[in-house]
Amino acid sequence: RKEVEQDPGPFNVPEGATVAFNCTYSNSASQSFFWYRQDCRKEPKLLMSVYSSGNEDGRFTAQLNRASQYISLLIRDSKLSDSATYLCVVSSSYGKLTFGQGTILTVHP
Amino acid sequence: ETGVTQSPTHLIKTRGQQVTLRCSSQSGHNTVSWYQQALGQGPQFIFQYYREEENGRGNFPPRFSGLQFPNYSSELNVNALELDDSALYLCASRYAGTSSYNEQFFGPGTRLTVL
Repeated sequence: RKEVEQDPGPFNVPEGATVAFNCTYSNSASQSFFWYRQDCRKEPKLLMSVYSSGNEDGRFTAQLNRASQYISLLIRDSKLSDSATYLCVVSSSYGKLTFGQGTILTVHP
Repeated sequence: ETGVTQSPTHLIKTRGQQVTLRCSSQSGHNTVSWYQQALGQGPQFIFQYYREEENGRGNFPPRFSGLQFPNYSSELNVNALELDDSALYLCASRYAGTSSYNEQFFGPGTRLTVL
């Protein structure tokens, strides 16, 4: 079983749609949780951290359920510029990042 | 930009050769990690250096080795290259202090092709 599992997609949605990504992780000792965004042939960039209380950044909402070891990302009012690969990431206590396979999102006009 | 640079951008090697990839971290970042990203996969942790000592390693064989220097630069060395080593190699740096997790900043990567 992979340490971090994501639905690889691809997700193809029209502009303005709401799309949700889910992720599960296996290591209950994981310390920190993130969503990264990666554009084609570029490096991953931090989209947002994820907290148990849930957090929102504009059109993006992230949730963490430690009991279920489940992380989610919701994107509302999708834009063409949201097209990218979204990576679910968990961190160990010493900073090792474990990435999911990534979920490909394509937003079309 | 993240302030983390990597060189070279692209590299082509043949099986059995050795390669050295370089990373220059942000000033003040005492921790650097290296990741391998195969096509269609998420990055995989190779190892991490903290104050010039390796303090964490992923599931990679000993032919993957590294160095971190006092001037915030680091190297990833791979010996006896195999075809499966073809990937994007990413370095990420951060300041590891006593507080909670600090963001890691990724460089643009080196794309290695092994023929």
